[in-house]
Amino acid sequence: DGGITQSPKYLFRKEGQNVTLSCEQNLNHDAMYWYRQDPGQGLRLIYYSQIVNDFQKGDIAEGYSVSREKKESFPLTVTSAQKNPTAFYLCASRDDRRGPTEAFFGQGTRLTVV
Amino acid sequence: AQSVTQLDSQVPVFEEAPVELRCNYSSSVSVYLFWYVQYPNQGLQLLLKYLSGSTLVKGINGFEAEFNKSQTSFHLRKPSVHISDTAEYFCAAINSGGYQKVTFGTGTKLQVIP
Repeated sequence: DGGITQSPKYLFRKEGQNVTLSCEQNLNHDAMYWYRQDPGQGLRLIYYSQIVNDFQKGDIAEGYSVSREKKESFPLTVTSAQKNPTAFYLCASRDDRRGPTEAFFGQGTRLTVV
Repeated sequence: AQSVTQLDSQVPVFEEAPVELRCNYSSSVSVYLFWYVQYPNQGLQLLLKYLSGSTLVKGINGFEAEFNKSQTSFHLRKPSVHISDTAEYFCAAINSGGYQKVTFGTGTKLQVIP
């Protein structure tokens, strides 16, 4: 089945450690996105990429980094510079070659930093 | 850049009653509009979308929405809600042209009361 896979579903890390969240899609989509979700704040865009080896900062990119070495993969690293990393992280992809299509989402990763 | 506003953070409604979840947008270019539903600890699932054509769009689970350009609104409605509709609902917009960012509202929690 085609879709977006985020792993792990739950992740615990100690404060000050970098952590990488995985996002893989087999939908052959060019565009991929990372969002952070906090209660009452909706989804805030961290980074997005519309093609391999290219990505753009979203609204809250500070303390995060990404790479897009393969079309299928868009990993997100939460660095120690992120002041409040505990949140629910969602990855999405779109087929933007067909114009304004909808985004497809993974099941999310809940990161807890202790 | 576009923005999406969902004024109601929570909407309680009795089972079998009608419901309307409000969404307003602003943009300097054409936008395309979407409604998503999110169940706890899961990703987002598309309910419906407006790209062009008829301003009344029908989606899954009996939901519909009406695009109103003059009022810059895209409100979501259902004539009779069920307990299983209890979830969080997000309105989203994609700009036309250039880097197609997906912008989300802050979400509305629909609580269906038996």
